[in-house]
Amino acid sequence: AQTVTQSQPEMSVQEAETVTLSCTYDTSESDYYLFWYKQPPSRQMILVIRQEAYKQQNATENRFSVNFQKAAKSFSLKISDSQLGDAAMYFCAYRSPTFGNEKLTFGTGTRLTIIP
Amino acid sequence: KAGVTQTPRYLIKTRGQQVTLSCSPISGHRSVSWYQQTPGQGLQFLFEYFSETQRNKGNFPGRFSGRQFSNSRSEMNVSTLELGDSALYLCASSLAGESTGELFFGEGSRLTVL
Repeated sequence: AQTVTQSQPEMSVQEAETVTLSCTYDTSESDYYLFWYKQPPSRQMILVIRQEAYKQQNATENRFSVNFQKAAKSFSLKISDSQLGDAAMYFCAYRSPTFGNEKLTFGTGTRLTIIP
Repeated sequence: KAGVTQTPRYLIKTRGQQVTLSCSPISGHRSVSWYQQTPGQGLQFLFEYFSETQRNKGNFPGRFSGRQFSNSRSEMNVSTLELGDSALYLCASSLAGESTGELFFGEGSRLTVL
């Protein structure tokens, strides 16, 4: 079974600065999908960024980028130019590539605080 | 395009009662998944439905059940409620089979068991 570990329960960053959230995972599969989801205080989970394991290039979405190290099974999220609206719980998630398997395995989350 | 809609948003029940939660997926999405979120256990997968069939199930007791209707709407039911069932129940929908694998979540149903 796959596991996802987020070792930072809480992080804080000054507005406009850069912060990196860590995530490691364990799997025996060679292909899979990784995600970072954001859950603001309003509770609706929103996809921040995704990465397919077969792609060597790190995914980027505006101020959000990942550092995907497949051999190390590491998938960190970098947020540049942090904004007040980035304050939320961030969850790292794994999904098997098996067709018909829509299950996400989540980490325990990192609460990000933005300091004005 | 309307997002994933969950009802009710909040509810309070007492031990031993049962509860039914509803989820309407994004139009065109045929897969609906349910997750339980608690401070202690985090986000745990309950089950997933596709075309009215349960395809995957998490490690929850038989008191937790669900179903999906022909219009892809889904319900989950918890019978004989226990205090530990207090949680945020999240529903997610997806275009099953697409390569991106993104799940779209609703705002959740907050269940409190007294």
